[in-house]
Amino acid sequence: EDKVVQSPLSLVVHEGDTVTLNCSYEVTNFRSLLWYKQEKKAPTFLFMLTSSGIEKKSGRLSSILDKKELFSILNITATQTGDSAIYLCAVSVRGSEKLVFGKGTKLTVNP
Amino acid sequence: DGGITQSPKYLFRKEGQNVTLSCEQNLNHDAMYWYRQDPGQGLRLIYYSQIVNDFQKGDIAEGYSVSREKKESFPLTVTSAQKNPTAFYLCASSMYGRAPNTGELFFGEGSRLTVL
Repeated sequence: EDKVVQSPLSLVVHEGDTVTLNCSYEVTNFRSLLWYKQEKKAPTFLFMLTSSGIEKKSGRLSSILDKKELFSILNITATQTGDSAIYLCAVSVRGSEKLVFGKGTKLTVNP
Repeated sequence: DGGITQSPKYLFRKEGQNVTLSCEQNLNHDAMYWYRQDPGQGLRLIYYSQIVNDFQKGDIAEGYSVSREKKESFPLTVTSAQKNPTAFYLCASSMYGRAPNTGELFFGEGSRLTVL
């Protein structure tokens, strides 16, 4: 059974801290790994990763994939209160049009 | 503007009643999906459709039904057989079968169903 596990499930930090969110997966035929941010309603796309070792960056957010260890991390530096959200990791499986989601990490950034 | 529209945003129903959630997209995407989100559970797939007049069960299809008569529309009916229907429902679409198909989903704003 395809599985995506995120950790931690919940995290509380202060503004300015750096956080690392983890995502591990076990799937039959990996195509890509995606990170989404969900603040209130609709998840919004952050990154898609397909190759190991290539870091994707967008401002203070960055992500990298390790296909050997079946693992990805999402880093957020100099956190702001606006980073407070649920961060979802999902894996796309080749031969299927489904995304398999983890349970998400709820990040709270306090001023 | 292209996007996915879900309605209603909030819905209250009495136990035993069927309810239908609407999902419309104008992105010209072939594939559409329904997910359910409960606190601490992430997103769980209910049904998905890759093409008009065809759909497949996801991981938690029991108590739900869908139709895909038009490419733009993928309504979800929560039937009285669904034992715990109170949840946040998200509709999504993707570029199935088209390059580049990254697997990325485009989400609607969601519908929050509360069964009293």
